[in-house]
Amino acid sequence: AQSVTQPDIHITVSEGASLELRCNYSYGATPYLFWYVQSPGQGLQLLLKYFSGDTLVQGIKGFEAEFKRSQSSFNLRKPSVHWSDAAEYFCAVGARIQGAQKLVFGQGTRLTINP
Amino acid sequence: DAGVIQSPRHEVTEMGQEVTLRCKPISGHNSLFWYRQTMMRGLELLIYFNNNVPIDDSGMPEDRFSAKMPNASFSTLKIQPSEPRDSAVYFCASSFSGTVGNTIYFGEGSWLTVV
Repeated sequence: AQSVTQPDIHITVSEGASLELRCNYSYGATPYLFWYVQSPGQGLQLLLKYFSGDTLVQGIKGFEAEFKRSQSSFNLRKPSVHWSDAAEYFCAVGARIQGAQKLVFGQGTRLTINP
Repeated sequence: DAGVIQSPRHEVTEMGQEVTLRCKPISGHNSLFWYRQTMMRGLELLIYFNNNVPIDDSGMPEDRFSAKMPNASFSTLKIQPSEPRDSAVYFCASSFSGTVGNTIYFGEGSWLTVV
């Protein structure tokens, strides 16, 4: 069965500092991997996704993620965070079943930004 | 383009009452998902449909929960009777399943409180 682990429940960084959020997945086939962001009281917005090709993918808001098959990881990075990046971040793996693709999410990492 | 539209956005109801949550997917999308988000369990997939047909409802917690998709532009999630432990945010999401690595788009959520 597919699963996603986000080891860090809560991370605090200073504004302007670099950021890396960890994500490990378990999936038997080639994974489709996603990062979503959720601001308080809002739905989930897609930051970026990987399904083939270049293992370093660029997303919105200056985020990037690198797929490492050997480590079963898909870590999210940003070189310099802004106060507006404070939110909850979810990693997800897509599993295709009977013509439809469902997402299995990790528990999420809450990001706090210190001024 | 309109995104996934959910109603109501907020609902407070008494234990034992029937609750109906509604969802209008993005036009042209043929997969629809219902997720539940709680602090304790994170984001759980309850049920998903492909071309209006339920594919997997193994995430539906109990017989008190039911979901329907009578046509491509409308779905409901019903809880009858509701219980306090059903208090959560319920997200509807949709996607087009015809492409590899397709993005799943989320609505803003329905915030349910059962007292």
